[in-house]
Amino acid sequence: DAGVTQSPTHLIKTRGQQVTLRCSPKSGHDTVSWYQQALGQGPQFIFQYYEEEERQRGNFPDRFSGHQFPNYSSELNVNALLLGDSALYLCASSSKKQGANNQPQHFGDGTRLSIL
Amino acid sequence: DAKTTQPPSMDCAEGRAANLPCNHSTISGNEYVYWYRQIHSQGPQYIIHGLKNNETNEMASLIITEDRKSSTLILPHATLRDTAVYYCIVRVAISNFGNEKLTFGTGTRLTIIP
Repeated sequence: DAGVTQSPTHLIKTRGQQVTLRCSPKSGHDTVSWYQQALGQGPQFIFQYYEEEERQRGNFPDRFSGHQFPNYSSELNVNALLLGDSALYLCASSSKKQGANNQPQHFGDGTRLSIL
Repeated sequence: DAKTTQPPSMDCAEGRAANLPCNHSTISGNEYVYWYRQIHSQGPQYIIHGLKNNETNEMASLIITEDRKSSTLILPHATLRDTAVYYCIVRVAISNFGNEKLTFGTGTRLTIIP
């Protein structure tokens, strides 16, 4: 049973560029959330996708956008990269279809993005 | 979501029980307590969650006080592989879209000492 997978594992970009990160949810999961984790900090919620729509958003600018595909996989796009965007980007998946709304989110190991 | 307070760091001897406290004095009646841990360079790993009853699984036990204002995560026989940052999170159970965001603090850095 594959868990949450993210690609790439590492990425180096320069200021002003754009980047796309990818996430495949755990088998049976239909909801994907994205988090940003700066060095030494806890993860911060970016947004959540369910049924191919953004359902909830954290305090991140519009440069951060996403998409969810019919197979439940998801992409995170960041435009006009800033030095401060250097972080570990984590994807988490969960299931609404399992009924109870207290089901835990399961995380991938993230994409380490470095901005030069 | 309610805020949580955890000690920044703790040490525990290998083979002993590690008891990690968490205060969540403003928790609401419909909020669960979740515990995750993050080993260096990996994503957060789900450990356990509960509402008001004590819970146990293959990884840990969760003890929630009767007033639900605090909880303790217990790792019964700590090993070196349990060295990690442990996050206590409270999250609403019911939402229109099923799964609300997780709000992480800075957690407790647990070091298991040989």
